[in-house]
Amino acid sequence: NAGVMQNPRHLVRRRGQEARLRCSPMKGHSHVYWYRQLPEEGLKFMVYLQKENIIDESGMPKERFSAEFPKEGPSILRIQQVVRGDSAAYFCASSPGVEETQYFGPGTRLLVL
Amino acid sequence: QKEVEQNSGPLSVPEGAIASLNCTYSDRGSQSFFWYRQYSGKSPELIMSIYSNGDKEDGRFTAQLNKASQYVSLLIRDSQPSDSATYLCAVIPIIQGAQKLVFGQGTRLTINP
Repeated sequence: NAGVMQNPRHLVRRRGQEARLRCSPMKGHSHVYWYRQLPEEGLKFMVYLQKENIIDESGMPKERFSAEFPKEGPSILRIQQVVRGDSAAYFCASSPGVEETQYFGPGTRLLVL
Repeated sequence: QKEVEQNSGPLSVPEGAIASLNCTYSDRGSQSFFWYRQYSGKSPELIMSIYSNGDKEDGRFTAQLNKASQYVSLLIRDSQPSDSATYLCAVIPIIQGAQKLVFGQGTRLTINP
């Protein structure tokens, strides 16, 4: 049973470019969460999605960031016009239901030059 | 007051001893509590989940929950050098109405051979 998959594992972008991060949840899991870990800081919640629905985006920056979890395919976290402060590790987690254990993917490490 | 607080450490424990990690949380209505382990440069890995007051044991690990004191701890018996990592306490706060994990800053644990 494959775990949570994320790609790419490392992503380098120049300021002003777009970054697209992908997450495929564990088989049987319909709840997806995105977290960000800035250098030397803790993990911070960004967004919680179920298929075709954003349930909670209270942790998302108001501008440049968006997320989706379409009916078919992986969840996508999109960052437009990246800035150096976006450099961080972005982790996706999935769970089979509400208040159940969340399992983390390997993360995407974004570096903005 | 932070929602989830941990002593950032570093906590240094001799090999074979018991390591004790502590965490307090502010949302009295929280029902779900988790301990994750994170090695440097890696993603969080679930160690234990606990939902009821008391102790929960799994191998060398014991999680303890005291909802009246809003306190959760993790004990690691017979500590091994491979236990050296950052340990993250996470809570799902009921008051927020969503399923996001709120993490503490993490406690860096070093097991000395």
